[in-house]
Amino acid sequence: GAGVSQSPSNKVTEKGKDVELRCDPISGHTALYWYRQSLGQGLEFLIYFQGNSAPDKSGLPSDRFSAERTGGSVSTLTIQRTQQEDSAVYLCASSPNTRSYNEQFFGPGTRLTVL
Amino acid sequence: GQNIDQPTEMTATEGAIVQINCTYQTSGFNGLFWYQQHAGEAPTFLSYNVLDGLEEKGRFSSFLSRSKGYSYLLLKELQMKDSASYLCAVRDQSGGSYIPTFGRGTSLIVHP
Repeated sequence: GAGVSQSPSNKVTEKGKDVELRCDPISGHTALYWYRQSLGQGLEFLIYFQGNSAPDKSGLPSDRFSAERTGGSVSTLTIQRTQQEDSAVYLCASSPNTRSYNEQFFGPGTRLTVL
Repeated sequence: GQNIDQPTEMTATEGAIVQINCTYQTSGFNGLFWYQQHAGEAPTFLSYNVLDGLEEKGRFSSFLSRSKGYSYLLLKELQMKDSASYLCAVRDQSGGSYIPTFGRGTSLIVHP
């Protein structure tokens, strides 16, 4: 496909379980971003990748959150021991790179519900 | 970091003009974006400003004043489908990070 894809689209899990969220960026885009959006809130930056490296992890809310990117393409966001406050829509975006003018292309998001 | 402020909600009438304001504070301004987000959907890019002035694109225009830390998005000839959340995002190059920071968004309701 031509756009950013994310899977699953919806995930319901029990408190304490681990979850993995996947993002497939647009082919050729070296920059990849993870955000989360809670009801009535703006987009909260989590982490970004330039290639396979993550220069800025400052947005990760706790050490239960981690992310990796392999082959400069697919990225996985992992949340360990999920808590109810982790419930949100997790959005992935990609862009050709980070430095020059570039709009971000967003995926449809994964709606995570922690019971 | 940035401090981005925009109104929470606005209402307007179909066919009218609406202006959505965004103010920000940043130490290393490197561009301002506007995105549109319909309920349950991903944000989509509307406009980008890095120099002062007005950028026009069809029914939508975006204005920037860097000295005032101020931008607005102007929507003309409003249509019902323009009902959505409008997100202002500012990119800051200080610290070497070029990641846009988003405001909370302005929910626009267009009524007949």
